[in-house]
Amino acid sequence: NAGVTQTPKFQVLKTGQSMTLQCAQDMNHEYMSWYRQDPGMGLRLIHYSVGAGITDQGEVPNGYNVSRSTTEDFPLRLLSAAPSQTSVYFCASKRLRQGPYEQYFGPGTRLTVT
Amino acid sequence: AQSVTQLDSHVSVSEGTPVLLRCNYSSSVPPYLFWYVQYPNQGLQLLLKYTSAATLVKGINGFEAEFKKSETSFHLTKPSAHMSDAAEYFCVVILSLMDSNYQLIWGAGTKLIIKP
Repeated sequence: NAGVTQTPKFQVLKTGQSMTLQCAQDMNHEYMSWYRQDPGMGLRLIHYSVGAGITDQGEVPNGYNVSRSTTEDFPLRLLSAAPSQTSVYFCASKRLRQGPYEQYFGPGTRLTVT
Repeated sequence: AQSVTQLDSHVSVSEGTPVLLRCNYSSSVPPYLFWYVQYPNQGLQLLLKYTSAATLVKGINGFEAEFKKSETSFHLTKPSAHMSDAAEYFCVVILSLMDSNYQLIWGAGTKLIIKP
């Protein structure tokens, strides 16, 4: 198993550009989520999904879109990047029936918006 | 509202000496608490969890944490630090227990620095 994979590892964007952060898991997990990690703030939930075709907003969803067309993939889209979106982004997944702490995290994508 | 406070943003200890990373929480209901570790340039890994069983919880790599309800604390300790323990540590509390409707409240993190 590759676990949770994220691409790219690093990305620099100019303000106003769009991009998609990719997340994939090969563990057949129903639940997938996106977090952003900022210094001094811990992790904050952006969006999550409990299965293909079902997504919902987390704590800080503004500026981000998600979709879940397959169980394996959960891409995060930035439609018009802003400097405030400079952060490290983590994707995570778990079985729906598992405890919320039993998430598997990807290695992260470090995004800089200039 | 539930919250988590990690009292130190950085902790520096010498190799072979004890480690103490402090975490306090506020919660209106019995909390579920845990610690995650993030090694440099890696993802997050569950270190240990408290789920209302034993108050002293043992985790991986020799770490343990004690839940103290009277002090609303869940401090992380290790008797003897190793260089490989250098990482950032996050204390986390669960906001809700429902499978698909919960939120993890993350502390701001504590960077553990190990001096040779």
